[in-house]
Amino acid sequence: ILNVEQSPQSLHVQEGDSTNFTCSFPSSNFYALHWYRWETAKSPEALFVMTLNGDEKKKGRISATLNTKEGYSYLYIKGSQPEDSATYLCAFGLTGGGNKLTFGTGTQLKVEL
Amino acid sequence: NAGVTQTPKFQVLKTGQSMTLQCAQDMNHNSMYWYRQDPGMGLRLIYYSASEGTTDKGEVPNGYNVSRLNKREFSLRLESAAPSQTSVYFCASKARAYEQYFGPGTRLTVT
Repeated sequence: ILNVEQSPQSLHVQEGDSTNFTCSFPSSNFYALHWYRWETAKSPEALFVMTLNGDEKKKGRISATLNTKEGYSYLYIKGSQPEDSATYLCAFGLTGGGNKLTFGTGTQLKVEL
Repeated sequence: NAGVTQTPKFQVLKTGQSMTLQCAQDMNHNSMYWYRQDPGMGLRLIYYSASEGTTDKGEVPNGYNVSRLNKREFSLRLESAAPSQTSVYFCASKARAYEQYFGPGTRLTVT
């Protein structure tokens, strides 16, 4: 069983704060690292898929970086808004893993006014 | 495009009953997946199908069977439901190197 760890488990920030979370994954046999945003009572929605060491992706105020050699990825949110409140999941794909992903347990973000 | 659809949305079963959860996607994706989501456990893979005609076990396959009926449809069957199978079940599909698209989920309670 692969170990994909996310920290922190939960986070409360004020509107306008910038924040970041970490995803740690095995550094060998890396294929892909995914980030998903999961709002309560909805389905997870993809934010980013990263496959190359040093990848940086950006979508609006949200960005992510990837370090495959040391096995971590950071997700950054700049100027958090209440609508950013959600659980952020990362998922790791292994080379030869048959297109399957192993998910972390997520970071639950709450942005308060 | 409807994306990934799942039926039913909610279901209550008695211990020992059987049922099939249905999933269909209209994005022509090769790979399809079944996950369960339990509090504090994240998404755990039950079974997946890398392509039409193939299925493989995931992390928690015991008590479940699957059928990849065609490229569009991937069903999950509980032969004899147990209270430990109370969960929210998500189906997902994926094109080769891209993100997974999730269905709306099925909330199953086994009493």
